[in-house]
Amino acid sequence: KQEVTQIPAALSVPEGENLVLNCSFTDSAIYNLQWFRQDPGKGLTSLLLIQSSQREQTSGRLNASLDKSSGRSTLYIAASQPGDSATYLCAVHSSYKLIFGSGTRLLVRP
Amino acid sequence: GAVVSQHPSRVICKSGTSVKIECRSLDFQATTMFWYRQFPKKSLMLMATSNEGSKATYEQGVEKDKFLINHASLTLSTLTVTSAHPEDSSFYICSARRDRGQETQYFGPGTRLLVL
Repeated sequence: KQEVTQIPAALSVPEGENLVLNCSFTDSAIYNLQWFRQDPGKGLTSLLLIQSSQREQTSGRLNASLDKSSGRSTLYIAASQPGDSATYLCAVHSSYKLIFGSGTRLLVRP
Repeated sequence: GAVVSQHPSRVICKSGTSVKIECRSLDFQATTMFWYRQFPKKSLMLMATSNEGSKATYEQGVEKDKFLINHASLTLSTLTVTSAHPEDSSFYICSARRDRGQETQYFGPGTRLLVL
């Protein structure tokens, strides 16, 4: 059974710092991996999607990597801003389903 | 493109009543729709998968008689919480996918249900 874990559960950083969020999964047989952002009380915003054959994807200040063999993905946020404060969710696409991690709650302090 | 809406965005009901939540794909036809549940500060848990015109497939531990799912058209799926109780209070999110394969899911904005 696929399990997705995100570390850390919460993170507080001063504005301007570069930071890394971690995601691990137990079964490497995935179709793709997706990172989402969720603001309090809101739905999900898709940030980056990495196909299983890819190693990374970039969008603006965000870079996501995927190492399928080791069951790991990282989301790198450069030059963090207070507007980046949100919960970041990692989800793996496995067996026609999206399986989510428990998320990392990020607070970027001005 | 690929916009998914949910209605209502927030609902408060009395214990014992039934509540219906709608999920619509606005600009594409959704062969498959998913319903998730999210408790405060927790992740999304898949409740069920519904394919248009067929019965929903429920995840282990989800009561199908409690959470009725109907996917009668390619743009609409409904989730009915029957005889709601306070423990059913949660954030319900739907997503939609164009086909039955592995394509990207597009998420709705969620519905906050509070059962008094």
